[in-house]
Amino acid sequence: GMPVEQNPPALSLYEGADSGLRCNFSTTMKSVQWFQQNHRGRLITLFYLAQGTKENGRLKSTFNSKERYSTLHIKDAQLEDSGTYFCAAEAGGNNKLTFGQGTVLSVIP
Amino acid sequence: AQTIHQWPVAEIKAVGSPLSLGCTIKGKSSPNLYWYWQATGGTLQQLFYSITVGQVESVVQLNLSASRPKDDQFILSTEKLLLSHSGFYLCAWGLGGRSAETLYFGSGTRLTVL
Repeated sequence: GMPVEQNPPALSLYEGADSGLRCNFSTTMKSVQWFQQNHRGRLITLFYLAQGTKENGRLKSTFNSKERYSTLHIKDAQLEDSGTYFCAAEAGGNNKLTFGQGTVLSVIP
Repeated sequence: AQTIHQWPVAEIKAVGSPLSLGCTIKGKSSPNLYWYWQATGGTLQQLFYSITVGQVESVVQLNLSASRPKDDQFILSTEKLLLSHSGFYLCAWGLGGRSAETLYFGSGTRLTVL
């Protein structure tokens, strides 16, 4: 299967709602990053995790290397959260990132 | 503060013509540098990375080549474009070392090959 499987492919949320995205890995990964891509294509790094959980405002991400998954949780969704979210993982110290297929998030007023 | 600049913003080129895309990073010495390609509506695919001047590792070639002529510059090029080269090209820099840790992306170049 795909080395990085991201779900769901698309997600619609009403403003104020909470939801989560998930990436499953076919092999043990050393680290994971989460990115948001806006409608112009600009990619912003949200999180880098080598383990555990990080929070930043309304966003929280968890990475469990042993169980081979990572999650991104969005709380109190806002219109500006709309965009495409990607996870990307690195299997070893080889400078190679493998991206998930992305989740297109639409926040509805 | 570090800045990353990609050029051009967009290109429309004919099949078989040459291509050169550039990326410059200011405010960070010896960064790791990366090129990514994104098909329309698709995910990102890593093409090349470089840890130091004059050194480039290929991940997926796609009939493209990359060079790092200076510490702060990364160039993506080909002598003959294919239709399949169309897409969005992103340059990124990382903190350095052997890991692709915390990447910062440029604003990208949108390439259309006709």
